[in-house]
Amino acid sequence: EMQLLESGGGLVQPGGSLRLSCAASGFTFRSYVMAWVRQAPGKGLEWVSSISASGASTFYPDSVKGRFIITRDNSKNTVFLQMNSLRVEDTAFYYCARDVWGLGWFDPWGQGILVTVSS
Amino acid sequence: NFMLTQPHSVSESPGKTVTISCTRSSGSIANNYVQWYQQRPGNSPTTVIYEDNQRPSGVPVRFSGSIDSSSNSASLTISGLKPEDEADYYCQSYDANIWVFGGGTKLTVL
Repeated sequence: EMQLLESGGGLVQPGGSLRLSCAASGFTFRSYVMAWVRQAPGKGLEWVSSISASGASTFYPDSVKGRFIITRDNSKNTVFLQMNSLRVEDTAFYYCARDVWGLGWFDPWGQGILVTVSS
Repeated sequence: NFMLTQPHSVSESPGKTVTISCTRSSGSIANNYVQWYQQRPGNSPTTVIYEDNQRPSGVPVRFSGSIDSSSNSASLTISGLKPEDEADYYCQSYDANIWVFGGGTKLTVL
C-alpha cells in the first residue's frame, strides 16, 4: 500500500522558518515527481512546489518562489519543504503528494500537516 | 499562467444527476489532462477522475468526466447521487511546469 506521511508542522512566528518532511513507502520513490499542496483553513487547494524524480529540477508558483525550497533524499524515500520568511497567509494544511506521471495527477496524498504562522 | 473556474456550490437530491464544470481561462482544455479530486471534511483529497475521463479502481461508475473544447471546459458528472457523495470537488490541470487547481465546488446532497 502506498503511503505518504508528513511531519514537522507546528506554530511559527511571522518571518520564521519551518522544515516539513514527507516519508514515502509502497512505491519506487526515486522514479516519481513529488509535490507539496497546501490548503488554508476553509479554503481551496493550492499547489506549492514540485521536484523532479532526480531532484535536479524544482518548480514553484510565484506565491512562494524565493521563500520555499523543495528537496528530496531518494536514499531515504523522503521529500522536504523548507519554508523561510513565513507569512500569516502561509497558514495551511500542507499535503505531500506523488505526481503519477509528472504532469499533474496527484495520487496518493498524505494526511496533511498543519502549519500555523502567528505571533 | 491559466486559471480553472468552478461553481462555488451545487446541490441536488439523492438519486439525481449533477454536473460540475471547470472552465480554463487561457490555453486549450484539451492540451493537458484534467483530474478531479473529492475531499470529504477532515480528509485528504482522493482522485475520482484522471486523464479527463478515467476512473481509478474503486471509484464507482456513477462518476464520469469529460472535456468540451467548444466551451474550453471539463465536467464531472455524478449520477445516482448518494449521501456519501456530499463533499468538495476540485478540478486540476497542468501547463508549462505550473500545476493549477480550480477553486473547488461544494456538493450538497439534499
